[in-house]
Amino acid sequence: ETGVTQTPRHLVMGMTNKKSLKCEQHLGHNAMYWYKQSAKKPLELMFVYNFKEQTENNSVPSRFSPECPNSSHLFLHLHTLQPEDSALYLCASSHNSGAAYEQYFGPGTRLTVT
Amino acid sequence: DQQVKQNSPSLSVQEGRISILNCDYTNSMFDYFLWYKKYPAEGPTFLISISSIKDKNEDGRFTVFLNKSAKHLSLHIVPSQPGDSAVYFCAARSNYGGSQGNLIFGKGTKLSVKP
Repeated sequence: ETGVTQTPRHLVMGMTNKKSLKCEQHLGHNAMYWYKQSAKKPLELMFVYNFKEQTENNSVPSRFSPECPNSSHLFLHLHTLQPEDSALYLCASSHNSGAAYEQYFGPGTRLTVT
Repeated sequence: DQQVKQNSPSLSVQEGRISILNCDYTNSMFDYFLWYKKYPAEGPTFLISISSIKDKNEDGRFTVFLNKSAKHLSLHIVPSQPGDSAVYFCAARSNYGGSQGNLIFGKGTKLSVKP
C-alpha cells in the first residue's frame, strides 16, 4: 500500500463511451501525475498538477481530459477513445513538483478500448 | 529519442548470486536518478535513488552506482532472492525549464531470480 489509490482497477469501454478514472492520495502531497504505460514502452508522462494547477500537458490528445479538484484527488475523463489507447494508466503523487524527487504510484487502471 | 535507456529487456539470475541492472542516459542536465520495482498488477514502487553529485548509494542488498562521465548507472542486488523477481525501471529527474521535477523513465528490465 503506497498511499495512492486508483479506481477502477480494470475498465473495458467502447469507442463511443465516456468514462472517468479516479486517483486519490493520502500522503499530504501537493503534486499529482497521470502516466500511460503501453506494452514495451517507457512510462509516458501525460499530465502534471501542482497545487491543483496543471503545469504540464505532454501533447496529450483532447479525448483525455484531466481534472484536479484538490491536491488529494485527480481524475482522467475519457471520451471517444481509440483501440491504441488501451494501456495501463498510472497515477502518482509527490511533494511540490518542481522540488520533488521520489514519486509514489498507485496500482494503475488497466484500460481496454474495444 | 529516448533519454533513458535500459537495453536489456530481461535478466535471469540464480538465487544467491548478484543481479546487475544497467541504465544509460543522454541528458547531462539530469540531477537525480531513481530505481523503481514493479510487480504484476501493482504500480511501480520506489526502491533506491542517487544524486548526480554522488557515485554510490547503498541500502541493504541494493546498491546503485553512477558513472557521470559515461552517463551510466547500475543497480546491484546482492544476494538476489526469488522475491526480487519483478520489472525494474530506471528513471532520471529533469532539472531544467518547465519540466523541472519530471521523471523520465526507461522501458524496464524484467529480472527473474531462480531458486
